[in-house]
Amino acid sequence: EPEVTQTPSHQVTQMGQEVILRCVPISNHLYFYWYRQILGQKVEFLVSFYNNEISEKSEIFDDQFSVERPDGSNFTLKIRSTKLEDSAMYFCAGRPRVINSPLHFGNGTRLTVT
Amino acid sequence: KQEVTQIPAALSVPEGENLVLNCSFTDSAIYNLQWFRQDPGKGLTSLLLIQSSQREQTSGRLNASLDKSSGRSTLYIAASQPGDSATYLCAVLPNAGGTSYGKLTFGQGTILTVHP
Repeated sequence: EPEVTQTPSHQVTQMGQEVILRCVPISNHLYFYWYRQILGQKVEFLVSFYNNEISEKSEIFDDQFSVERPDGSNFTLKIRSTKLEDSAMYFCAGRPRVINSPLHFGNGTRLTVT
Repeated sequence: KQEVTQIPAALSVPEGENLVLNCSFTDSAIYNLQWFRQDPGKGLTSLLLIQSSQREQTSGRLNASLDKSSGRSTLYIAASQPGDSATYLCAVLPNAGGTSYGKLTFGQGTILTVHP
């Protein structure tokens, strides 16, 4: 069964550094998402992406965050200047065109900011 | 603002028991509700999706029900096995229109332990 692939599985970075988290969605998916889960807290929506543009974003997704799908394959989340509070598990998800299709999530990237 | 709550926070049962996990949500204007399984350090695996017009969905030993008007869903697991041990999350999709249809609001999860 096709899977959503995320790399790296664990990223450690120093405060203030830029990080890029990568995702390879399932090939027939058209809608893409980033979620995050801070340790011990709920999974939170960050951003949705369709037709090469952001369709919706949460209050968390401020100017420090950006997403892109540069080559029609990879879907990336960039954090320009990481803060300690950005430490979390970041999940990429996707779904095909049908609205009532379940979201398929990747295994996540654990980001640790020191 | 939609709030999703799951009860209990943790549950420990012996193998073979039938069990029920509960999920409640404050805004009944939902498009669908999904139940996910999360293993430690892993991603979310979709178990069942119930559309707002449906009352229940079944997959193997799992049965999910939805009462939209009262803002409740239950996940019933029959004949539990140690391999069912995981965190179970419910999430609702708002019926708010727009193009994303992916802004799920999650509950905090129920940690299930099934011991042999």
